[in-house]
Amino acid sequence: NAGVTQTPKFQVLKTGQSMTLQCAQDMNHNSMYWYRQDPGMGLRLIYYSASEGTTDKGEVPNGYNVSRLNKREFSLRLESAAPSQTSVYFCASSETGVPTGELFFGEGSRLTVL
Amino acid sequence: LAKTTQPISMDSYEGQEVNITCSHNNIATNDYITWYQQFPSQGPRFIIQGYKTKVTNEVASLFIPADRKSSTLSLPRVSLSDTAVYYCLVGDLLMDSSYKLIFGSGTRLLVRP
Repeated sequence: NAGVTQTPKFQVLKTGQSMTLQCAQDMNHNSMYWYRQDPGMGLRLIYYSASEGTTDKGEVPNGYNVSRLNKREFSLRLESAAPSQTSVYFCASSETGVPTGELFFGEGSRLTVL
Repeated sequence: LAKTTQPISMDSYEGQEVNITCSHNNIATNDYITWYQQFPSQGPRFIIQGYKTKVTNEVASLFIPADRKSSTLSLPRVSLSDTAVYYCLVGDLLMDSSYKLIFGSGTRLLVRP
């Protein structure tokens, strides 16, 4: 199994450009998450999706939009990129209704906004 | 929203036991305590999870006192490859049965030869 797959792994944008980060999981998980991690910092939750068709804001949602395309896929869109959005973005998934809370992470997408 | 507090960094030597303590004073009755490990340029990886008392697996032990306001991750006989950032999380089990996990800043463990 591939687990959680993120694309692209690296991206450089200019201020004001838009892009979408893609995430897919093959573990039949209901919940999916997007986190960002700035250098030397912990992870911060951007958005999450408890199940197909639902999305909710996390700690730092401003400047982002998400789409839960189906059970497998959860995308993160930057409509007008800003240098403050330079970060590593991690997608994760987990079971729903199981109070173990174990998250399975992708390898990350490194975004640089110039 | 339960928050956690951990030491920013710790140093140890190969072969020693390392204990990392996390405080979570506002933990809710149905919250579990989970620890993750993160290596540079990788996503976090689940280490261990517990609700109360002691949990042990092949890589670590987790000690949780009766009041559950803190927990201690114990890594026996660490090696250089255990150098990583360790995160303590207390999950929020939400009304829709999703689990919202908020990461803190973590503890940077450096294992020296």
